[in-house]
Amino acid sequence: DVKVTQSSRYLVKRTGEKVFLECVQDMDHENMFWYRQDPGLGLRLIYFSYDVKMKEKGDIPEGYSVSREKKERFSLILESASTNQTSMYLCASSPRGVYSPLHFGNGTRLTVT
Amino acid sequence: AQSVTQLDSQVPVFEEAPVELRCNYSSSVSVYLFWYVQYPNQGLQLLLKYLSGSTLVESINGFEAEFNKSQTSFHLRKPSVHISDTAEYFCAVKDTGGFKTIFGAGTRLFVKA
Repeated sequence: DVKVTQSSRYLVKRTGEKVFLECVQDMDHENMFWYRQDPGLGLRLIYFSYDVKMKEKGDIPEGYSVSREKKERFSLILESASTNQTSMYLCASSPRGVYSPLHFGNGTRLTVT
Repeated sequence: AQSVTQLDSQVPVFEEAPVELRCNYSSSVSVYLFWYVQYPNQGLQLLLKYLSGSTLVESINGFEAEFNKSQTSFHLRKPSVHISDTAEYFCAVKDTGGFKTIFGAGTRLFVKA
């Protein structure tokens, strides 16, 4: 089974802090994604990566950046956390085929105070 | 741009009753369609998918969904629900040429004894 591991389950940070969310997958998947999940809005794509060192903006990239230095690891960075970034963050991966479904981690619930 | 509409935010139902969770999508291109399920405090898991071929697809735990191209719908059904089906269900669409999976807002299914 594919395992996608997010480093923290719960995280509390202060406004203005730099925040790192880490995600590791163990199935050699080419594609990795960061979504945020908010009630009534479903999942919205922040950034994705289809190869090492490659990144593409999703639908809501403002206030975020990403890093993919190794194939198995995809990091989401909040440069200066704000209260409107309080949310559940979900990492996912998939193999290269366009028909492939996503494999999700259990999420990181981030609270910015 | 693609979008996914899940017509019900919450669906309460008694155990052993049938249920239908509705999903409509908008896309001018060929798509792949997915249903994901999220149990409490977990990430999303793939429930079933439509890629091509038979328009009726089934999951291992008794759910089924039917792709209706003319109505751009992919409704999820189960003839008899169990308490353990209580979860949030997400409909998702991916165009056949892209990387991005677009999610609906989700439907919370509550199964009551």
